[in-house]
Parts: sequence; C-alpha cells; structure tokens
Amino acid sequence: QSALTQPASVSGSPGQSITISCTGTSSDVGGYNSVSWHQHHPGKAPKLMIYDVTNRPSGVSNRFSGSKSGNTASLTISGLQAEDEAEYYCSSYADSRTQVFGGGTRVTVL
Amino acid sequence: QVQLVQSGTEVKKPGASVKVSCKASGYIFTGQYIHWVRQAPGQGLEWMGWINPNNGATKYSQKFEGRVTMTRDTSISTAYMELSRLTSDDTAFYYCARKNYGDFWGQGTLVTVSS
Repeated sequence: QSALTQPASVSGSPGQSITISCTGTSSDVGGYNSVSWHQHHPGKAPKLMIYDVTNRPSGVSNRFSGSKSGNTASLTISGLQAEDEAEYYCSSYADSRTQVFGGGTRVTVL
Repeated sequence: QVQLVQSGTEVKKPGASVKVSCKASGYIFTGQYIHWVRQAPGQGLEWMGWINPNNGATKYSQKFEGRVTMTRDTSISTAYMELSRLTSDDTAFYYCARKNYGDFWGQGTLVTVSS
C-alpha cells in the first residue's frame, strides 16, 4: 500500500492553468476508474473536487477537471485564482478493497 | 443536509487508547461506507480503513492492522474508530469521511499523544 506519487509543489500566475499529476500502479490508479481529488487546508475538512476520475460534485467550479492515462491521473485547474491556493491530494481505490492517498501537492498562486 | 460530526479533542498518554466518534445525519447511515483518514503534523492524508455500517464489516490499512478497531452503532447513526497502544507518532487530526471518495467529511478530531 505505497502512497501515490504527486509533485511536492506546483505554482502559477492568476489566470494560468496548472496540472497536478498523480502516479500509481496497475493495482490502484491504473486498475480502477476511482480516482478522486481533494482540496485541503490544514486543520479543516478536505473538500472533494473530483471523483471517479472526471466527475465534479455539485458546487465545484468547472475550472477544475480530472483525467487519467494509464497509471497516472491528473487534476487541471484553469483560470487559476488566489482562492485556489491550498494542498491537493489525489486518492484511489486499490486492490483488496483498500484506498490510498498521494503525498499531496502544494499549489501556490504567484 | 448530510453532516458528519466528530467528537472533541483528545489528549492521551503513550500506551493508552483513544476512541473517536463520528455521528452521521441527513442520509441513511447504513447505506454508505465510512472511511477514517488521519493527518499527522507536517504529513499528508493517510487512509486508515473503512467500515460498512450495514453489517459492520471492516477493512484496515496494513499499517494499522492489530491496533485499530472500527465499529458502529446503527441506533444512533454513529461510527467509531479506536486506536490502541498510542505513541507520539499517532498525534494527528483524525477524520471520518463518507464513501470511498469522501464526498462528505467530519470536522476532524485532534488527538495529541504526550507524556
């Protein structure tokens, strides 16, 4: 049950687009269409941004989108805004009915 | 509206156990799995396990197997996570979340382990 691999940090200027990658294996990301992304401010409850690879919950801005290719999932934030600054975590359903998180990516708006 | 409300801050000594509760409302409690996730200081989110409130079935992360117990009381729509043999490494925020992708989360419970 190794953690999924995310870049430690990603930054961009307001209005730009950024993409966060999340790399796993065929036992998790590559094997199931069950990748989710959460926005997290420490000490607060994480907020679901994307589920089942591409689905956006009601109320989440359409500036957030998800995709997957092979063992790597991605979260793209378009039209970057100051309010998007946070930690982002990917998560995937995995073999043996378990769940695994990525290490987290700090998004900074320059 | 769906809500998960967790119990309050805990301070424990090394070697002790802690039991955190997660009370669900706004949906049929037995219809959705509850997952437990923690975040230690300066660390990322870590999945601990899940419980199926319908039948009490559980699945734990290998890391916590033998030390964690997840239970539920359907009469009060509440899930519990008990962690035993605490060490300072268990100091963390503990969260409950609904469904494997966590569409709703509890507010978090800070557990501090200190002598």
